[in-house]
Amino acid sequence: TQLLEQSPQFLSIQEGENLTVYCNSSSVFSSLQWYRQEPGEGPVLLVTVVTGGEVKKLKRLTFQFGDARKDSSLHITAAQTGDTGLYLCAGGSNDYKLSFGAGTTVTVRA
Amino acid sequence: NAGVMQNPRHLVRRRGQEARLRCSPMKGHSHVYWYRQLPEEGLKFMVYLQKENIIDESGMPKERFSAEFPKEGPSILRIQQVVRGDSAAYFCASSLGPPRGPNQPQHFGDGTRLSIL
Repeated sequence: TQLLEQSPQFLSIQEGENLTVYCNSSSVFSSLQWYRQEPGEGPVLLVTVVTGGEVKKLKRLTFQFGDARKDSSLHITAAQTGDTGLYLCAGGSNDYKLSFGAGTTVTVRA
Repeated sequence: NAGVMQNPRHLVRRRGQEARLRCSPMKGHSHVYWYRQLPEEGLKFMVYLQKENIIDESGMPKERFSAEFPKEGPSILRIQQVVRGDSAAYFCASSLGPPRGPNQPQHFGDGTRLSIL
């Protein structure tokens, strides 16, 4: 079983501030996905990173895949209340058998 | 909404009863995956199916749990003789084609919340 650890578990910030959440593992992954999940809904895919060192930007969100493909980070610039949610990272060596972290609950206060 | 559809959204069963969870994949998707999410835990892979075939069921308990994806109709996750520990959110995902590489992302439904009394 490949274990993905996410930190912090909870994060509460003021609107306009920046935040970073981390996803770490001792295992190498062929790809890593970030999802956002709202209460009562399913995870929604934000991005997939596949190359060590890769950086992808999605508006105010920046995703980075570690050089060794064992870790990743998600950075949000100038957070908005709409960014509130559970952020999940998921990786797999077999691409279908995704291993999920427990998630980081982000709360952005107005 | 042409997304992954799961029903029911909420299901309550008494211990010993059977639970049937349904998943209709996105239009054109023939690959289905089931995951289980316990409170404050990550989603755990259960089973991967293609039409009429179980490809990998290594994450599914050997007893009481079964899954199918018939030629016609939705995928079904079946739990027999449910116990309290089966209470969880069960999510289904689908992909367009063989799940190799980043161009075949898994799209998730909104899940079925199963509660065992």
